[in-house]
Amino acid sequence: EAGVAQSPRYKIIEKRQSVAFWCNPISGHATLYWYQQILGQGPKLLIQFQNNGVVDDSQLPKDRFSAERLKGVDSTLKIQPAKLEDSAVYLCASSFTQALDSPLHFGNGTRLTVT
Amino acid sequence: GESVGLHLPTLSVQEGDNSIINCAYSNSASDYFIWYKQESGKGPQFIIDIRSNMDKRQGQRVTVLLNKTVKHLSLQIAATQPGDSAVYFCADLNQGGKLIFGQGTELSVKP
Repeated sequence: EAGVAQSPRYKIIEKRQSVAFWCNPISGHATLYWYQQILGQGPKLLIQFQNNGVVDDSQLPKDRFSAERLKGVDSTLKIQPAKLEDSAVYLCASSFTQALDSPLHFGNGTRLTVT
Repeated sequence: GESVGLHLPTLSVQEGDNSIINCAYSNSASDYFIWYKQESGKGPQFIIDIRSNMDKRQGQRVTVLLNKTVKHLSLQIAATQPGDSAVYFCADLNQGGKLIFGQGTELSVKP
């Protein structure tokens, strides 16, 4: 099966600019996640969708980050305006259900550098 | 607060030897644990999982051991190969349904 697709692979922007990341989950996966992975750390959950509804966005810095999954398939994550500390890899993951043991499949991420 | 952490940030082993990567967790209510492997430039890849009602689970060349008394789990890789070189994360799926990752251990395999 095709994996989780993310684009772009790399992005370099200046602080205060805006940026958007795109994710296409595995076909049929209802649950979609965005994670932030700072260099040398484990991934941290930003937001979780079930179909096109938000399940958990408690860790999303809502003053600058937004995410949507309008048709319950693809998703975009936006940062506006970006800060230096937003430099990280942004990982998208999907799972068939949101059951505790439904494995997460990760994409290869978008590496963001904010200068 | 809840945390999932690893004892060592790096581990170097000889090809063919067995590797043991350790992980400690703080939330005694955690009931599901997962090990992920992350190669450079890629997303985490599922290796093996274990529920809290089990002490041991085996996969192909990998074994996960869970000690609930001391809140510790380990990943054992048999006959470590160069392709096993990566960062390994333990993750805890808590009652809230959130996957909490530890900081990772970087495994290097010497030929």
